[in-house]
Amino acid sequence: SQQGEEDPQALSIQEGENATMNCSYKTSINNLQWYRQNSGRGLVHLILIRSNEREKHSGRLRVTLDTSKKSSSLLITASRAADTASYFCATDASNKLVFGAGTILRVKS
Amino acid sequence: DAGVIQSPRHEVTEMGQEVTLRCKPISGHDYLFWYRQTMMRGLELLIYFNNNVPIDDSGMPEDRFSAKMPNASFSTLKIQPSEPRDSAVYFCASMFSGYGYTFGSGTRLTVV
Repeated sequence: SQQGEEDPQALSIQEGENATMNCSYKTSINNLQWYRQNSGRGLVHLILIRSNEREKHSGRLRVTLDTSKKSSSLLITASRAADTASYFCATDASNKLVFGAGTILRVKS
Repeated sequence: DAGVIQSPRHEVTEMGQEVTLRCKPISGHDYLFWYRQTMMRGLELLIYFNNNVPIDDSGMPEDRFSAKMPNASFSTLKIQPSEPRDSAVYFCASMFSGYGYTFGSGTRLTVV
């Protein structure tokens, strides 16, 4: 069963624009993580935000976490064609990750 | 570090045959996970190990599936007998407590 639900399911933007993806979950968590998957490849860990953190940055990535609303967002700034991929949020409640269905991001050059 | 290594990358087998998928985790990681990914069901956790001990196998679909981790550097996922509905990409991932997962490249299994 999937705990995280991403929104939107698909997103198409122009290179240089920002992309925002949202994730909602249902139960208490220890941390929330975001992963990227390029077509036909494995998942790559992007960023981990712990339940006592509200915002985290890594390069062009910005993640927020609102535990009261059980939601998170991933912002990719100044997108590039190479950012085209599927993005998944995953919640960790007991050292095992439960993944959402993902957002397919397409960045047009 | 070469990362998490899975083999084979692709496997095509006939229904009823035994299939064994292999995984070498990152040295020093104390958790190992097996996931299955399909278009219909997304990423599903099958089983995970902590320090080589199976902790939660509630995601294993049925008795045809079994997994072992005989030591810290090797794990197998076996399907016997295989069925067409087992066709999927199977991922292995390892983790050091409290940090992000490192996934392998996956094994694409096709059962005909």
